Amino acid sequence: GAVVSQHPSRVICKSGTSVKIECRSLDFQATTMFWYRQFPKKSLMLMATSNEGSKATYEQGVEKDKFLINHASLTLSTLTVTSAHPEDSSFYICSARDPDRTDNQPQHFGDGTRLSIL
Amino acid sequence: GQNIDQPTEMTATEGAIVQINCTYQTSGFNGLFWYQQHAGEAPTFLSYNVLDGLEEKGRFSSFLSRSKGYSYLLLKELQMKDSASYLCAVKSPGAGSYQLTFGKGTKLSVIP
Repeated sequence: GAVVSQHPSRVICKSGTSVKIECRSLDFQATTMFWYRQFPKKSLMLMATSNEGSKATYEQGVEKDKFLINHASLTLSTLTVTSAHPEDSSFYICSARDPDRTDNQPQHFGDGTRLSIL
Repeated sequence: GQNIDQPTEMTATEGAIVQINCTYQTSGFNGLFWYQQHAGEAPTFLSYNVLDGLEEKGRFSSFLSRSKGYSYLLLKELQMKDSASYLCAVKSPGAGSYQLTFGKGTKLSVIP
């Protein structure tokens, strides 16, 4: 069964709206969570690495003031897309690292959130 | 920097064998992963190589040559459900101890 739950699975909203996406690890404590973005027919691009209790580390070119990441507990990380615009429309996927598992499956992925900004 | 190359698309016949290649140049290497991704869904783990050689798992095998910066995923006895994108990803040091860098993916179409 799923070990990482991502919610919502789909969002359609107006330009200027802020959207929050949740990523929960269900049966393990995730000290590290990752947020990816995937445009159509493109690969997953890492946006940021989120460590519990500290500030997220953003990849080059990702605006930290636009994509707010909070990892306040060992089982929950949130990504808020602030003042979303049509160019932010994409497939957002989170993953969580289970520190107790062997390295051959270091990340468990959520099911993704399809964000469409009108 | 990180650079991972895979063919964009491939087509193969049901029941056949297909090999998807991946070459990489990365700063740091701690292993290579293959994921399967169906359209609109999250990736699912297929295989992991950290040492040179072949790892076999049922119909799927993955090979790694670290000196050549090269890997391939071999799919045998292809089934229609194998039509998907296959992503090569390299594990390397990053924030939170490591990160995965993905290739653009190879879209495989299996035809009758």
